[in-house]
Amino acid sequence: DAGVIQSPRHEVTEMGQEVTLRCKPISGHDYLFWYRQTMMRGLELLIYFNNNVPIDDSGMPEDRFSAKMPNASFSTLKIQPSEPRDSAVYFCASSLVGNYGYTFGSGTRLTVV
Amino acid sequence: TQLLEQSPQFLSIQEGENLTVYCNSSSVFSSLQWYRQEPGEGPVLLVTVVTGGEVKKLKRLTFQFGDARKDSSLHITAAQPGDTGLYLCAGATSNAGNMLTFGGGTRLMVKP
Repeated sequence: DAGVIQSPRHEVTEMGQEVTLRCKPISGHDYLFWYRQTMMRGLELLIYFNNNVPIDDSGMPEDRFSAKMPNASFSTLKIQPSEPRDSAVYFCASSLVGNYGYTFGSGTRLTVV
Repeated sequence: TQLLEQSPQFLSIQEGENLTVYCNSSSVFSSLQWYRQEPGEGPVLLVTVVTGGEVKKLKRLTFQFGDARKDSSLHITAAQPGDTGLYLCAGATSNAGNMLTFGGGTRLMVKP
């Protein structure tokens, strides 16, 4: 298995632009998580899905952030419009039901200028 | 909201030294995990402990889960430069589904 695949690895965009981050979880994993990591705040859970259904989105900073999981093999995290304070590394992770071990992707480093 | 506190936040040691990293909470966890994250990559699972008092060894790394399942420690013997990274503990509770709460991490640097 290729693991959790995220794209792009790096994204530099101007303030106000729309940004879409993509994630392909491990096949057969029922849970998918989106995290944001910064030096100041560490790893923050943004939203997670179970069987493609959003379960908890209380970590999504504001309405500018949205996430979808149209099928079991694909998820997106969209920021519109982007702001400099959104600059961070965004991770996607997946796991099996009843298995608390998460497999993380390599992350997307987002820079908003 | 559960809170996992890790200490120390930063640790810089010489190759060959021993070290211990702590993970503490006032909450009880059904299981606790340790991850290591290297620069430019996502965290990688090292171990899961589920029983109070459990001790697991992974080569030079020893993980212990507290008897009350509120805390854990990671001990590294004879640290090597390859151990450098961010160490994260994460706790799971049975009433929170499959969701982990992550600690703030311990950033370890092992100098040759």
